[in-house]
Amino acid sequence: DAGITQSPRHKVTETGTPVTLRCHQTENHRYMYWYRQDPGHGLRLIHYSYGVKDTDKGEVSDGYSVSRSKTEDFLLTLESATSSQTSVYFCAISDPSGGKRGDEQFFGPGTRLTVL
Amino acid sequence: GDSVTQMEGPVTLSEEAFLTINCTYTATGYPSLFWYVQYPGEGLQLLLKATKADDKGSNKGFEATYRKETTSFHLEKGSVQVSDSAVYFCALRGRNAGNMLTFGGGTRLMVKP
Repeated sequence: DAGITQSPRHKVTETGTPVTLRCHQTENHRYMYWYRQDPGHGLRLIHYSYGVKDTDKGEVSDGYSVSRSKTEDFLLTLESATSSQTSVYFCAISDPSGGKRGDEQFFGPGTRLTVL
Repeated sequence: GDSVTQMEGPVTLSEEAFLTINCTYTATGYPSLFWYVQYPGEGLQLLLKATKADDKGSNKGFEATYRKETTSFHLEKGSVQVSDSAVYFCALRGRNAGNMLTFGGGTRLMVKP
């Protein structure tokens, strides 16, 4: 299994509070991604990073920001959480230079966030 | 833009039954196609993939064939087990610089003994 951890694994917070989720990898993969999973929507991309300090928006980026100061860490921040951001958040990594597996993404275990 | 459509679930089968989960896609050019599986409480794991037309991906008794003429990548298994109960996601990687995936909505499979 790819070495990907997410913290916290579960969080309950209140509307209007800031929340930061962390993704940590030990694979030295260049690309990292944040997705949210909601019933009927599959996984939707929030933001992704293609290198240290290089990030770009995904399909559902409103209300979220990200930072990547080191290869191994990718942070997702909800500046002011809303109930619509209650979801399960997954981090993923990929290495396009990885030969036959260069087009694959490897996923972390997820963080369940509840915003009351 | 790219999109993936898969059959809605849940799909409920008895053990040893034949499984088909339909997946169709819309994309420019020749995307790579994937099936991911999510077991309860876990993240997604790659089940199989195909990177060009007529390729067949296979793993753990599951198969899917890349059909460009019908833009489909249906997942099949000849004899399901209770342990196959999970959510299955079809996905594609199209022409994008970020190596990004587009996912279908997921199909929950429940296998009864």
